[in-house]
Amino acid sequence: LAKTTQPISMDSYEGQEVNITCSHNNIATNDYITWYQQFPSQGPRFIIQGYKTKVTNEVASLFIPADRKSSTLSLPRVSLSDTAVYYCLVGSGGGFKTIFGAGTRLFVKA
Amino acid sequence: GAVVSQHPSWVICKSGTSVKIECRSLDFQATTMFWYRQFPKQSLMLMATSNEGSKATYEQGVEKDKFLINHASLTLSTLTVTSAHPEDSSFYICSARGDRGKAGGLGYTGELFFGEGSRLTVL
Repeated sequence: LAKTTQPISMDSYEGQEVNITCSHNNIATNDYITWYQQFPSQGPRFIIQGYKTKVTNEVASLFIPADRKSSTLSLPRVSLSDTAVYYCLVGSGGGFKTIFGAGTRLFVKA
Repeated sequence: GAVVSQHPSWVICKSGTSVKIECRSLDFQATTMFWYRQFPKQSLMLMATSNEGSKATYEQGVEKDKFLINHASLTLSTLTVTSAHPEDSSFYICSARGDRGKAGGLGYTGELFFGEGSRLTVL
């Protein structure tokens, strides 16, 4: 399983764009990259998933360079409610184990 | 979207008792579910993979006789913490993989849906 490395914490202000980068140097050919968000005392929530290049949905964008050894989650115009821990996970297959790294604790200030 | 529900959301028990936590996939079938434990300010730690109709696969260091997992149907997995002690107090979370694939390249991987979590406090 590819190990992931993320910054431990980040601070931002409301309205700013936040980019969180995750390193996964040992990513395998069939691995997908998935990002989750977790609020205190809640289960993680799916944000976005991608394999290569760029993926965008209604809440975030995911940028993956050609070598796929890293990925960047981009949150446009964050609000206070985006304060949470963000996890980057790498894996493949319908039954792959989901091993969580340390995650990035994002704190959005007013 | 798909929903995974856990029950109870919180439980307090006396040391030495057993506690059962249920994890249900409400609108999809899940042949595989996962159980995690999370301590304050820490990441989720995978405890075991629950497979419908077969024995669970436990991660290294997780006592299978301590944490009993049963996945008797495609929509229900249970985790029983036997003879609970204060050090078992934690936030337990389950997840189930949906049956929808995500676009983007080789292979297939279903989105992982998480329960709300169950906070266990052992006195």
